[in-house]
Amino acid sequence: DAGITQSPRHKVTETGTPVTLRCHQTENHRYMYWYRQDPGHGLRLIHYSYGVKDTDKGEVSDGYSVSRSKTEDFLLTLESATSSQTSVYFCAISEGTSNTEAFFGQGTRLTVV
Amino acid sequence: RKEVEQDPGPFNVPEGATVAFNCTYSNSASQSFFWYRQDCRKEPKLLMSVYSSGNEDGRFTAQLNRASQYISLLIRDSKLSDSATYLCVVRWGKLIFGQGTELSVKP
Repeated sequence: DAGITQSPRHKVTETGTPVTLRCHQTENHRYMYWYRQDPGHGLRLIHYSYGVKDTDKGEVSDGYSVSRSKTEDFLLTLESATSSQTSVYFCAISEGTSNTEAFFGQGTRLTVV
Repeated sequence: RKEVEQDPGPFNVPEGATVAFNCTYSNSASQSFFWYRQDCRKEPKLLMSVYSSGNEDGRFTAQLNRASQYISLLIRDSKLSDSATYLCVVRWGKLIFGQGTELSVKP
């Protein structure tokens, strides 16, 4: 299995608090992605990174920020969590070249109460 | 319009049936195409890449039609263990998922 870990795996937080989710890889892959998955919506891209300090928005980026100061770490921050951000969050990594697959972390289940 | 669209299903089929999933994408500059499988909200895992000439892996056949911006997955002789959600994935820099098609194979 690809070396990709997400932390924490589960978190319950209160509305209005900041939350940071961490994705760590040991594969030295260039691309890293954050998705959220909700019933009826599949996986929706929040933000992605194509290199250190190079990030771009996905389709559901409002309320989220990211940082990538090292190749191996991609952080997702909810500046002020809302109940609508209750979801399962997946991180993925990819070399980014044609037809190379993306590998996923095991997911983080976040509940905002 | 969503960038990648799939029929969400669910598809309920008996063992041994042949089932086909379809997917359309909006960006003609898309570079790579995949089918992923996801079990019970676990992380998605690659089922197969999709090549322009079409490709087969055992009971699974994937097709790509760039002109129509259409991808398909055919599962022959379906097994109980094929029950899962199948996700169409398209890459143009970023990696975009369809919403997934749920398959349930019954005895």
